[in-house]
Amino acid sequence: EAQVTQNPRYLITVTGKKLTVTCSQNMNHEYMSWYRQDPGLGLRQIYYSMNVEVTDKGDVPEGYKVSRKEKRNFPLILESPSPNQTSLYFCASSLRPGRNTEAFFGQGTRLTVV
Amino acid sequence: GDSVTQMEGPVTLSEEAFLTINCTYTATGYPSLFWYVQYPGEGLQLLLKATKADDKGSNKGFEATYRKETTSFHLEKGSVQVSDSAVYFCALSALGYGGSQGNLIFGKGTKLSVKP
Repeated sequence: EAQVTQNPRYLITVTGKKLTVTCSQNMNHEYMSWYRQDPGLGLRQIYYSMNVEVTDKGDVPEGYKVSRKEKRNFPLILESPSPNQTSLYFCASSLRPGRNTEAFFGQGTRLTVV
Repeated sequence: GDSVTQMEGPVTLSEEAFLTINCTYTATGYPSLFWYVQYPGEGLQLLLKATKADDKGSNKGFEATYRKETTSFHLEKGSVQVSDSAVYFCALSALGYGGSQGNLIFGKGTKLSVKP
């Protein structure tokens, strides 16, 4: 089954404790991205990757890092989480970047930073 | 910059009622337009899309027409079901080059509840 898998689904952590949210897709997609979803703000892109070893900032990259060492994986790293990073996070992938390509989303990771 | 505005929710309807969720956009040029749906506890999934003016996207009884003159992409369904209860997001694909083309600009979402 074609899917984007994120882990964990739920995470509660403390301020400053490094964490990683994993994302994996099994569709051989080139393009992957991370979004955060906040009430009243919709979804905003954090980082994206056009292919292995090619990553770039989205609209709200501050406080986040990513890496793309393999085509299928695109982890999101919070080196020093803060309470304002409490949010619902989605990983997405698409065959290639472009105006007409469908994005496939993971089920989301609900992160709480206390 | 590019932006999407959709009607505030929540929207509560009775089963078999007619649904309209308004969406307007601001963009340079002619972006592609999408409706995504998020069922409770799940990620977003594509509902329908339109890639040029006057295109009509349709799926599962939902329709939306790309109106360049009014910069709109309103979602409609003639008869909603309880199973349509979800959050609906209007989105456009950002114009640009390279990876920025893949960036979807989302509206804030509209929560729909359908009562039996």
